[in-house]
Amino acid sequence: GENVEQHPSTLSVQEGDSAVIKCTYSDSASNYFPWYKQELGKRPQLIIDIRSNVGEKKDQRIAVTLNKTAKHFSLHITETQPEDSAVYFCAATGGSGGGADGLTFGKGTHLIIQP
Amino acid sequence: EAQVTQNPRYLITVTGKKLTVTCSQNMNHEYMSWYRQDPGLGLRQIYYSMNVEVTDKGDVPEGYKVSRKEKRNFPLILESPSPNQTSLYFCASSLGGSNLEQYFGPGTRLTVT
Repeated sequence: GENVEQHPSTLSVQEGDSAVIKCTYSDSASNYFPWYKQELGKRPQLIIDIRSNVGEKKDQRIAVTLNKTAKHFSLHITETQPEDSAVYFCAATGGSGGGADGLTFGKGTHLIIQP
Repeated sequence: EAQVTQNPRYLITVTGKKLTVTCSQNMNHEYMSWYRQDPGLGLRQIYYSMNVEVTDKGDVPEGYKVSRKEKRNFPLILESPSPNQTSLYFCASSLGGSNLEQYFGPGTRLTVT
């Protein structure tokens, strides 16, 4: 099955700086890579996703890059703001299970924005 | 409003007392999953279903059962709960096919004493 590794587990950045979270996956057939933001006590919320036929996707201050050859993908947040503080999860699916087998998640990154 | 609902949202129970957590979606989604979330371990999949009457084990299925008798409902059953099943549980659904975006329910916080 799929295995997703996520680093770092905790990331502290100054407000206004950029944050980068990295993930690797094991199943070369995986083709859908979402990123979720989870605030304390809330459900995970999709913030951006990318498919394997695309190398980069951007939405305002958030971008995701994908390197299929190396099997890794990254989340980039620019001009960080206090409301970006949360736990972020990467995930992968669409491999041998075709996506019906749900998402395999990384263990999460606690992003702390220092004022 | 398109949504995934779970009930109950909070539950405290005792070891061995059977319980069911319900999950329902109103989006006509094919795929449904259950995850548990524990500190430092992220979200781990318990069971998934790709259609009515089709279910399969995820990464941590021991101690759980599911059923998918109707497309909209995917209940999680703990026949004999134990303290190590104390966790935050999320149900999720996706349309299927090439549309893999998962929609999560609000979560159920379960404590087994």
